Amino acid sequence: TQLLEQSPQFLSIQEGENLTVYCNSSSVFSSLQWYRQEPGEGPVLLVTVVTGGEVKKLKRLTFQFGDARKDSSLHITAAQPGDTGLYLCADPRGGTSYGKLTFGQGTILTVHP
Amino acid sequence: KAGVTQTPRYLIKTRGQQVTLSCSPISGHRSVSWYQQTPGQGLQFLFEYFSETQRNKGNFPGRFSGRQFSNSRSEMNVSTLELGDSALYLCASSLAPAGEGYGYTFGSGTRLTVV
Repeated sequence: TQLLEQSPQFLSIQEGENLTVYCNSSSVFSSLQWYRQEPGEGPVLLVTVVTGGEVKKLKRLTFQFGDARKDSSLHITAAQPGDTGLYLCADPRGGTSYGKLTFGQGTILTVHP
Repeated sequence: KAGVTQTPRYLIKTRGQQVTLSCSPISGHRSVSWYQQTPGQGLQFLFEYFSETQRNKGNFPGRFSGRQFSNSRSEMNVSTLELGDSALYLCASSLAPAGEGYGYTFGSGTRLTVV
């Protein structure tokens, strides 16, 4: 089973600061998804990256997929309190198990006003 | 367009009881999967259904079961509840199973507390 390691586990910053969250695996991803989950809600898909070296932008969020497709990062510019939540990376193939999402443990981000 | 609807939102059960959770996927979505989320273990895959067939199952005991109906609605059942079953149970739907390039849309979950 492919293990996804996310770092850091916790991040507490002030509004306006920049931050980066990492997702790593010992195996190659076929693709990778990033989700954000707010308290009391289910995860919401932010982006899917497929190609090694790919960079995708979603407003102030920048997602990067490593050239070797074994790592990914999420960078947030000028964080706002509304960015607070649990950020999860997920392998949509679940290793050899088709139809299954394997999640990292997540990064809990708190942005203080 | 309605999202994924899970009922009930909150549930309190006693050890040894059984429970049934319900999930109505987005209209047109035929893949439904279930996840258990706990602070210690994070999000763990329970099972996935596509067109009424269970195509994949996670590493959970046989007390956890599910099914999908012809209208794609799904239910999961947990029998002989244990304290460790307390968790947020999330349902997700997709046009096709994960791995075929489609993202999953999650419901808000059912918070199960076993006392």
